[in-house]
Amino acid sequence: KQEVTQIPAALSVPEGENLVLNCSFTDSAIYNLQWFRQDPGKGLTSLLLIQSSQREQTSGRLNASLDKSSGRSTLYIAASQPGDSATYLCAVPDTGNQFYFGTGTSLTVIP
Amino acid sequence: DTAVSQTPKYLVTQMGNDKSIKCEQNLGHDTMYWYKQDSKKFLKIMFSYNNKELIINETVPNRFSPKSPDKAHLNLHINSLELGDSAVYFCASSQLARELFFGEGSRLTVL
Repeated sequence: KQEVTQIPAALSVPEGENLVLNCSFTDSAIYNLQWFRQDPGKGLTSLLLIQSSQREQTSGRLNASLDKSSGRSTLYIAASQPGDSATYLCAVPDTGNQFYFGTGTSLTVIP
Repeated sequence: DTAVSQTPKYLVTQMGNDKSIKCEQNLGHDTMYWYKQDSKKFLKIMFSYNNKELIINETVPNRFSPKSPDKAHLNLHINSLELGDSAVYFCASSQLARELFFGEGSRLTVL
């Protein structure tokens, strides 16, 4: 069974800093990996989807990388802003259409 | 035009009552899911339906009964509500374990 871990559980940075969030998974036979953002009291918003054949995916200030062989993905956020404060989750699907989620990283960007 | 919509958004009820949450997706996806997010923010899969057929049924009390009248709808009925059922319930959909889309969530409070 796939196990997904996210480190750190919480992160606090001053505005303007670049930061990296980590996601590790135990089974490298994945189709894709998806990064989500969740604001307090809200649903999950998809940020980036990386296919297993891709190494990177970019959207604005966000860049996600994938290294299947080592079972790792990182989400890089450039020039962080207070509006980036949220919980970030990663998820990977298995062959049975089930998605496995990490426990999330709670990010606070201090103005 | 909301892709995955669930109702109601908030539900406050007494112990022992029965309640339902409805979910609809207009993305044409074959697979729909119910997740439970507890106070620690961990997302736990409850059920998954693929084209109206149950494919994932995690260890969930049989007081919880999903129903999928068609592939665009997946409802969750809960009998004899208990305090521990208080949580946020998320509906989601995907096509062939590609990108996962979430509804806004339904916050259930059992008093």
